[in-house]
Amino acid sequence: GENVGLHLPTLSVQEGDNSIINCAYSNSASDYFIWYKQESGKGPQFIIDIRSNMDKRQGQRVTVLLNKTVKHLSLQIAATQPGDSAVYFCAENEGDSSYKLIFGSGTRLLVRP
Amino acid sequence: ETGVTQSPTHLIKTRGQQVTLRCSSQSGHNTVSWYQQALGQGPQFIFQYYREEENGRGNFPPRFSGLQFPNYSSELNVNALELDDSALYLCASAVAGGQGEKQYFGPGTRLTVT
Repeated sequence: GENVGLHLPTLSVQEGDNSIINCAYSNSASDYFIWYKQESGKGPQFIIDIRSNMDKRQGQRVTVLLNKTVKHLSLQIAATQPGDSAVYFCAENEGDSSYKLIFGSGTRLLVRP
Repeated sequence: ETGVTQSPTHLIKTRGQQVTLRCSSQSGHNTVSWYQQALGQGPQFIFQYYREEENGRGNFPPRFSGLQFPNYSSELNVNALELDDSALYLCASAVAGGQGEKQYFGPGTRLTVT
């Protein structure tokens, strides 16, 4: 299968623990942010998104936090499961409601049983 | 699964050749974007199509071109292939409008240029 993320930063967590994946973005004009999960051999899968007029958004077991002051985005996964093991990418748009997504370099999440 | 399909799954081409990759959008979506993902990196935006016209382009040369058809499916064409074009090519569809776009990705086409 596809070997995504050969030399990515890796976060290793115990099954059942909470995971926090961080992302710094560079464009202060970005107004839309999105997290994707990519498993080996698959395309990126949408997890959760947030607009710049919000600082927190919750989904099922996931929470995204946005700190525009320091241009920082984080993804929190509650009660991490083995199926959460994947590479996680944050992405931002170019601002002005641009449809172009700019992706970060990704973080590999490994869940220990 | 997102409903976005891509073909072929894998492809091997020789330097200098041309390649066409295909994408079918998720039902109800009217924009298609193409991304290139090199091994170990995040996807890089190539271009987006909306209403059958290119609607934004990333830092890719003109030998990367595309089409969008009336049924919103799309093609990515790459001419004069180079070794560095070896990558996973991802198609993403979305519904235009609103602030930002929630893009849904297909499984990708793995292109190897030898």
